[in-house]
Amino acid sequence: AQSVTQLGSHVSVSEGALVLLRCNYSSSVPPYLFWYVQYPNQGLQLLLKYTTGATLVKGINGFEAEFKKSETSFHLTKPSAHMSDAAEYFCAVSSNTGNQFYFGTGTSLTVIP
Amino acid sequence: SAVISQKPSRDICQRGTSLTIQCQVDSQVTMMFWYRQQPGQSLTLIATANQGSEATYESGFVIDKFPISRPNLTFSTLTVSNMSPEDSSIYLCSVERRDTQYFGPGTRLTVL
Repeated sequence: AQSVTQLGSHVSVSEGALVLLRCNYSSSVPPYLFWYVQYPNQGLQLLLKYTTGATLVKGINGFEAEFKKSETSFHLTKPSAHMSDAAEYFCAVSSNTGNQFYFGTGTSLTVIP
Repeated sequence: SAVISQKPSRDICQRGTSLTIQCQVDSQVTMMFWYRQQPGQSLTLIATANQGSEATYESGFVIDKFPISRPNLTFSTLTVSNMSPEDSSIYLCSVERRDTQYFGPGTRLTVL
């Protein structure tokens, strides 16, 4: 069975500060891991994904995430927050078939000017 | 990636009526997925739709309430039947491509 836990349903950061959104997963098979972003009144956009290979993955808009197997984590970071980063962020896990996705409950990011 | 469109983008409906949501993808895909996102919540998978076969529904969702069609490899519809205010949600379709799911923009449904 697979599941995702996102710690912190709401995160606030100042503009220019580090963004850290936490995601922990459980999986009985090697997981594929994803971060999606949802801007207000829009669908989900893929930010980045980890399947195999390098454990530090870079995505769009300056975001990156590191797969840490020993910690079963896939935290999302960005060195410097921008106002346009304010959105809902979802972590997801799947098996290597990509057909069954499990989403976390989401983290709402607020950027304070 | 994939380019996915949905119609309508939003609608306001009366209870007891039905709404059909369309999902179109830019190229052929084997599997299409329908999700519901209730206000302030995460995504819940409703069903998986393969072309040429009946959709597979997740626990808590039934075909009579959410009939799905998949007439070809680029198109699917989801109908929300006999609507009640509890059906007010965003409905999203997605497709799987290279082990990744890509999402449409969603249909925002309000039931009065």
